[in-house]
Amino acid sequence: QKEVEQDPGPLSVPEGAIVSLNCTYSNSAFQYFMWYRQYSRKGPELLMYTYSSGNKEDGRFTAQVDKSSKYISLFIRDSQPSDSATYLCAMSPYSGAGSYQLTFGKGTKLSVIP
Amino acid sequence: DVKVTQSSRYLVKRTGEKVFLECVQDMDHENMFWYRQDPGLGLRLIYFSYDVKMKEKGDIPEGYSVSREKKERFSLILESASTNQTSMYLCASSLPTYQETQYFGPGTRLLVL
Repeated sequence: QKEVEQDPGPLSVPEGAIVSLNCTYSNSAFQYFMWYRQYSRKGPELLMYTYSSGNKEDGRFTAQVDKSSKYISLFIRDSQPSDSATYLCAMSPYSGAGSYQLTFGKGTKLSVIP
Repeated sequence: DVKVTQSSRYLVKRTGEKVFLECVQDMDHENMFWYRQDPGLGLRLIYFSYDVKMKEKGDIPEGYSVSREKKERFSLILESASTNQTSMYLCASSLPTYQETQYFGPGTRLLVL
């Protein structure tokens, strides 16, 4: 079983739709969860960052973590064509010196159609 | 504003050539990383460094080496390029206390013929 599973898509939605992107994971030690957005032929950029379980909201974006189910989600409200990108989830077991590696999902490609 | 730069956006090399990919960050970050990204395989860690002159192997170090002589610069070296090293190479950096937050460069798309 892979450590992080993410549906590669592609996912195509009309402008204004609510988008739900998800990852599941198997390592119960993961505590830090991130979402990166990667536009075509660019490097990933950090979008959201959450610690442990719960929700975090930033404008049109909401990140949810359910550690009991080992499931994280990113919701995009009122999706825009500029949201068209590949979304990567990433996670790590703990912070502090000695812990350097992130485990990434393979990414979900999203297209928002005008 | 955080900035990670990579020396080339696109590179074409011949099989057997020695290839240098350079990465520079201006955020005084201790940690630096090299990944490659391939369709269907996602991001895979090649090497990382948590201090000057220190390096650790990632998941796929074979065929690669790295150099970190200065804090801001991390180089990836392909000793003898092969066609299966055609890929998108991404550099990232982070602070050790906020190491979860990695900042990526724009990537170098390498084609080995």
